[in-house]
Amino acid sequence: KAGVTQTPRYLIKTRGQQVTLSCSPISGHRSVSWYQQTPGQGLQFLFEYFSETQRNKGNFPGRFSGRQFSNSRSEMNVSTLELGDSALYLCASSLSPRPNTEAFFGQGTRLTVV
Amino acid sequence: ELKVEQNPLFLSMQEGKNYTIYCNYSTTSDRLYWYRQDPGKSLESLFVLLSNGAVKQEGRLMASLDTKARLSTLHITAAVHDLSATYFCAVDSVFQGGSEKLVFGKGTKLTVNP
Repeated sequence: KAGVTQTPRYLIKTRGQQVTLSCSPISGHRSVSWYQQTPGQGLQFLFEYFSETQRNKGNFPGRFSGRQFSNSRSEMNVSTLELGDSALYLCASSLSPRPNTEAFFGQGTRLTVV
Repeated sequence: ELKVEQNPLFLSMQEGKNYTIYCNYSTTSDRLYWYRQDPGKSLESLFVLLSNGAVKQEGRLMASLDTKARLSTLHITAAVHDLSATYFCAVDSVFQGGSEKLVFGKGTKLTVNP
């Protein structure tokens, strides 16, 4: 059974650019969550999607957005990139919206903003 | 807002020794998760603790949950080098409307020396 797939694995972008990251959940999983991991702030929740609807969002500026498609694949977009957006972005999938369903994480996308 | 604190943040131990990592959280929750992360890799689920008094063991790792004390422990028995990694605990935080996110501790970086 394939795991959570995130693409690309690595990205280097320039300040002011925008970026789109993709996450394909485990087959049959319909809920996707995104987390940002940085050395300073640790792991922080970005947003969660279920059935193409954003269920909740963490404390991030509006430059961070996302969406989910009918096949449960999700994308997140960051516009007007800042140096502080450099991070490992992790996607997690679960069968249904949590609670009571375990979250499985992808390998992450390492974004570097220069 | 829910806060999760782990200690110690750094742990260097010799092979064969025992040690415990502590995870305290600030508000009531019945579900706690332990993850392992190797450098540059994603989060691997170790344990899901779903009720007060839950204890789970896998190999040299044993996790427990005391919801009344808002405390979870991850005990390492007879450490081996392969256990070197960063260990995170995470707790469910409930949004209005019932949806949830994971709130992570800052992680404990474990180094097991020969």
